[in-house]
Amino acid sequence: GDSVTQMEGPVTLSEEAFLTINCTYTATGYPSLFWYVQYPGEGLQLLLKATKADDKGSNKGFEATYRKETTSFHLEKGSVQVSDSAVYFCALTDNVAAGNKLTFGGGTRVLVKP
Amino acid sequence: NAGVMQNPRHLVRRRGQEARLRCSPMKGHSHVYWYRQLPEEGLKFMVYLQKENIIDESGMPKERFSAEFPKEGPSILRIQQVVRGDSAAYFCASSSREGTSPLHFGNGTRLTVT
Repeated sequence: GDSVTQMEGPVTLSEEAFLTINCTYTATGYPSLFWYVQYPGEGLQLLLKATKADDKGSNKGFEATYRKETTSFHLEKGSVQVSDSAVYFCALTDNVAAGNKLTFGGGTRVLVKP
Repeated sequence: NAGVMQNPRHLVRRRGQEARLRCSPMKGHSHVYWYRQLPEEGLKFMVYLQKENIIDESGMPKERFSAEFPKEGPSILRIQQVVRGDSAAYFCASSSREGTSPLHFGNGTRLTVT
């Protein structure tokens, strides 16, 4: 079945540091890929997405490129802020089964210190 | 424009009682998904419903769990005879249609079984 693997946290950074969170996936067909962010006590918010190979999703300074050859969708941000402290989830939908059922990775907690 | 509304935010039940979790999708959305998040883990798909129909329940435990999305009113996730292992955050998400429309998540219901 489909699966998503992302690096375990927590990741602790200083403000203005560079952030990378690795994500790799296994899926049949041609999945769409997503990054969601969860702030404490809240639900998940869509951060960015990419629907086909070589697409780059970007939002709020975050970027991720859909790499079919390496089955990866790593999240990057050049200069993090304290407000970026959250849990980040990589996810996919296989575009085969009915609906938009998402398969999530285990999440990576990011803590940015001033 | 209200988002996905879940209630209650927190629910405490003793072992053996029933838990009812409600989800009102975003206005105009007719697709509802339920996910469960165990502590320090990612989200696991439970069930996907459209109005009056269960489309995919491959993630639902075989016993004690049921879900509905009636023609009128919110979607309900029902857990009978709760056990301590049911303690988790339960998230509802909705979308307007199939395909690549993104899921919008509610803030979740945190169930604690004592």
